[in-house]
Amino acid sequence: DTGVSQNPRHKITKRGQNVTFRCDPISEHNRLYWYRQTLGQGPEFLTYFQNEAQLEKSRLLSDRFSAERPKGSFSTLEIQRTEQGDSAMYLCASTPGQEKAETQYFGPGTRLLVL
Amino acid sequence: DAKTTQPTSMDCAEGRAANLPCNHSTISGNEYVYWYRQIHSQGPQYIIHGLKNNETNEMASLIITEDRKSSTLILPHATLRDTAVYYCIVRATNSGNTPLVFGKGTRLSVIA
Repeated sequence: DTGVSQNPRHKITKRGQNVTFRCDPISEHNRLYWYRQTLGQGPEFLTYFQNEAQLEKSRLLSDRFSAERPKGSFSTLEIQRTEQGDSAMYLCASTPGQEKAETQYFGPGTRLLVL
Repeated sequence: DAKTTQPTSMDCAEGRAANLPCNHSTISGNEYVYWYRQIHSQGPQYIIHGLKNNETNEMASLIITEDRKSSTLILPHATLRDTAVYYCIVRATNSGNTPLVFGKGTRLSVIA
């Protein structure tokens, strides 16, 4: 399967702990997006990378959140000092980055539960 | 990007066509209509998109009204595996890197 992959698929943590998620985009896709989805809502944009450069951040991305894409391939999303309100599905998507208005392809997501 | 309005939920009998409506009355001439779906506990899956003309692929058909203010996604022979939340999204053709803006979508239940 050459789609977007995310790890882990599920994560349970205690409040105050740090967690890190990984996203591997489709091979040679230059653009990578992170979204968050809470129960009953559609996904909401968090941040976006063009190669290794983080070009846009949503106001949802508090200072406890940090995302990286050091070599322009996989990306990590870290949440420090987790809170119960961080419980959500974290989704990653990628696009080739060659054209305008490209279709975004999503991974299966990482479901986070903060106790 | 223009806002979309979709019914909260719909039911469809297995084997019948599922017709999912979407209103986008404020759509502008340079905005696509995209459809994604999300099966329980999975990431959103791209279905189809169109600008002015009707479109068809192996998954579905997209019918866009002449004034472009509404559209209908058609799953010609719904199966139980089509049970999902369906999102209608309007996106500018020159949107470049902008993220998708999801609403709450329509929860389609295909019933045996």
